[in-house]
Amino acid sequence: DQQVKQNSPSLSVQEGRISILNCDYTNSMFDYFLWYKKYPAEGPTFLISISSIKDKNEDGRFTVFLNKSAKHLSLHIVPSQPGDSAVYFCAASQGTYKYIFGTGTRLKVLA
Amino acid sequence: NAGVTQTPKFQVLKTGQSMTLQCAQDMNHNSMYWYRQDPGMGLRLIYYSASEGTTDKGEVPNGYNVSRLNKREFSLRLESAAPSQTSVYFCASVWNSNQPQHFGDGTRLSIL
Repeated sequence: DQQVKQNSPSLSVQEGRISILNCDYTNSMFDYFLWYKKYPAEGPTFLISISSIKDKNEDGRFTVFLNKSAKHLSLHIVPSQPGDSAVYFCAASQGTYKYIFGTGTRLKVLA
Repeated sequence: NAGVTQTPKFQVLKTGQSMTLQCAQDMNHNSMYWYRQDPGMGLRLIYYSASEGTTDKGEVPNGYNVSRLNKREFSLRLESAAPSQTSVYFCASVWNSNQPQHFGDGTRLSIL
């Protein structure tokens, strides 16, 4: 039973355009959500997070949106840059120490 | 500024051999984790340690054991390696719940 799902394995976007990465979850008890970026041969690095009491959080070019009724979160990157090309993982937690990760979306930003 | 350090970075084992993967963090974090990453499967939690002296099973604990040696170190042991355990293993740590985890750069393990 996959509690956190990223249904798009890959996404290609032109440089300068918006990248939208999506994530769905099934457990309504999740109250903290994160996005990580991963380059090849490196560990995941934290990008941005959002608590369930909010519906939006921004950090520079990165914005995370949370729709609790739809159990859906998305990551917007504007404008997209070639250096953003990486695998993006969403993750969720329910106030415990366990974090559940999605399967990842490979973003390719075309110059 | 080391963060989370994993050793070794690469290892090749034969089926049935044993191996311990080491992880150490220097951020005074309370909780530590072991994940495996397989193609198309994302990051799956093997074991975690919420605090020094405690360990709990994650999603895929079979075939693994862990030891929280002290606050800094959390090791993962494969007693009898199997080809299905070929994977990239990541260690992570976090100060408290509902905070971002910090990851090491991984151990690439191949079992023949």
